[in-house]
Amino acid sequence: DAGITQSPRHKVTETGTPVTLRCHQTENHRYMYWYRQDPGHGLRLIHYSYGVKDTDKGEVSDGYSVSRSKTEDFLLTLESATSSQTSVYFCAISDGINYGYTFGSGTRLTVV
Amino acid sequence: DAKTTQPNSMESNEEEPVHLPCNHSTISGTDYIHWYRQLPSQGPEYVIHGLTSNVNNRMASLAIAEDRKSSTLILHRATLRDAAVYYCILNEDYSGGGADGLTFGKGTHLIIQP
Repeated sequence: DAGITQSPRHKVTETGTPVTLRCHQTENHRYMYWYRQDPGHGLRLIHYSYGVKDTDKGEVSDGYSVSRSKTEDFLLTLESATSSQTSVYFCAISDGINYGYTFGSGTRLTVV
Repeated sequence: DAKTTQPNSMESNEEEPVHLPCNHSTISGTDYIHWYRQLPSQGPEYVIHGLTSNVNNRMASLAIAEDRKSSTLILHRATLRDAAVYYCILNEDYSGGGADGLTFGKGTHLIIQP
């Protein structure tokens, strides 16, 4: 989507390896989010950030860590990937409660 | 958490208006009503949001009940490209104006017949 990009778009990795997904925005929005989407569960919030170096956990944060060292980048790390983390991951940005969220195109991660 | 209730699916004909209902009886005074849609194999897309008054944009209109316990997303003239899952979500103000993440439900699967 305009102003937000995710990389990579697709990744296959082996169980036990570390994986980092990147979300980059050019909108200078304060808030950034990582979601995962699985059949039967819909979209679930993993972690979010409300400023540089300010992050908080979402509904399904176990097994994930995040970092935000600059406004434009929000990284999601799977320290040791498991098959249960096979999913489609979406990044989103927002500028506050009275603003809509803009979502990225997603990263399809497969852990084998 | 405040919740919303939507029909699982709805069907409409191309070029006709579509009214997608949403109930949110536990809404609090500072919660914004957001609508998103998700087309197959894509990320969610923002449609519209509002607080108390009805809202219009290029994509749709949002009609909010006077007591705010329900709302309706109106697509004025549906096209085949409007076939998607539509999510009605309350953007809850946990931290005084912050945006702490949206909680997605199952949404309404809108089917458009040609």
